[in-house]
Amino acid sequence: DADVTQTPRNRITKTGKRIMLECSQTKGHDRMYWYRQDPGLGLRLIYYSFDVKDINKGEISDGYSVSRQAQAKFSLSLESAIPNQTALYFCATSGSGTNQPQHFGDGTRLSIL
Amino acid sequence: GQQVMQIPQYQHVQEGEDFTTYCNSSTTLSNIQWYKQRPGGHPVFLIQLVKSGEVKKQKRLTFQFGEAKKNSSLHITATQTTDVGTYFCALDNYGQNFVFGPGTRLSVLP
Repeated sequence: DADVTQTPRNRITKTGKRIMLECSQTKGHDRMYWYRQDPGLGLRLIYYSFDVKDINKGEISDGYSVSRQAQAKFSLSLESAIPNQTALYFCATSGSGTNQPQHFGDGTRLSIL
Repeated sequence: GQQVMQIPQYQHVQEGEDFTTYCNSSTTLSNIQWYKQRPGGHPVFLIQLVKSGEVKKQKRLTFQFGEAKKNSSLHITATQTTDVGTYFCALDNYGQNFVFGPGTRLSVLP
C-alpha cells in the first residue's frame, strides 16, 4: 500500500555497520510491525508496537532495536550488521482491536557483505 | 508458541487446473487470515475467517475454516496466470500479533 512507506528500498552495506530502516504510514493506524522475510521461511516478526509508548519483542528480536517516534513512524535499527541479517524487511500496520488485517509496505531489500 | 504449517511448499499447475493450499495449526485458533504476495511484491490481505466451518468465496477463490478451528484451506478454481504468487496463512497469536505460515508458492504455466 502506498499508505505505508519504507525507506530505503534497497541497501547494501558492510558487516559491522549501523543501519536504520524507516517506516511511515498515513493510515492512522496505532499498530505497527517489523518483519523479515527469508526464502522458505515466510514472514518472521522482529518487533511490534501498539502505540507510541508500547514496544514488544517478536520472534527474532536479537540483533535488532526499534523506535516508535510517533504514531506514524516506526524505525528498525541493526546496531552492528552481520551477513545473516541479509533479508527482505517489511513494515506493516493494522488498526486497533482484534481481527484487523495488516497493511504492508513495499519492503527494504538489505544486503550485508 | 504457536506452530503453523502450510502444504505444499511449492505447486506448479497448468493454467485452468485447480489449486489448493492447506494451513495447519498446533493449537485451536480464534481466527485466521490469508495473504497473497506477488513475485517482487508485498503481502496483501485477502480474507479473514472467524467461525468454525466458515466458508467464504472471492470469485474463483474459496476459503474454508476447519470445524475444529485448527486448519484452513484456500482453493483456486481454474487457475490463471494472475494467480501466480505465494499464499500465506496468518494465525492470531492470542490477540497480540499474527504468526505467518511459511507460504505456498504457486506457479501457473500458460
